[in-house]
Amino acid sequence: DAKTTQPPSMDCAEGRAANLPCNHSTISGNEYVYWYRQIHSQGPQYIIHGLKNNETNEMASLIITEDRKSSTLILPHATLRDTAVYYCIVRPSYNQGGKLIFGQGTELSVKP
Amino acid sequence: DTAVSQTPKYLVTQMGNDKSIKCEQNLGHDTMYWYKQDSKKFLKIMFSYNNKELIINETVPNRFSPKSPDKAHLNLHINSLELGDSAVYFCASSQVGAARSGNTIYFGEGSWLTVV
Repeated sequence: DAKTTQPPSMDCAEGRAANLPCNHSTISGNEYVYWYRQIHSQGPQYIIHGLKNNETNEMASLIITEDRKSSTLILPHATLRDTAVYYCIVRPSYNQGGKLIFGQGTELSVKP
Repeated sequence: DTAVSQTPKYLVTQMGNDKSIKCEQNLGHDTMYWYKQDSKKFLKIMFSYNNKELIINETVPNRFSPKSPDKAHLNLHINSLELGDSAVYFCASSQVGAARSGNTIYFGEGSWLTVV
């Protein structure tokens, strides 16, 4: 079972920041927070991941609370192409064959 | 070049047939996976291979048999296809133990299987 809770859907205006929340209150000390997204009819796409510190890359920023029980993915300037289902996933850093357990995700609609 | 490629992208076949989906990755990764996405859009792992060895085998019917001829390929064979096998199948790969990447998994574009 997925260990995360996300709102089923969100809207965002084009050009504005999209802030996608995720609760992972049972996260363990050795578990990373991963974010993936799936654009319609495409494969899941890796966005970002983190352990304790906030992370930023060319796609997004990841803010993890100090207690690590929740996180927020930030798309700083959402475009129509960012419309997708966003998945927040927790998984151990060590080798378990890389098992990613996907929940229902948040369906983000970016509107003009 | 596509990092994780699968063929065919679309497959329509009759019940009872046997079919295969091929997957290749050019990322030099040592671990490959098959995921299934059903009509309700849930993504579930089916198999995981590390260096050609089976690591994960979820509760998948034994009609499904993965085959890994080498680290860059993981093919999925399905025997005696049933209507319920209709789904999108995603191949993926990762490099286990890569510290900074945290074993990030990269997915292919999917293979749409329809059983009629």
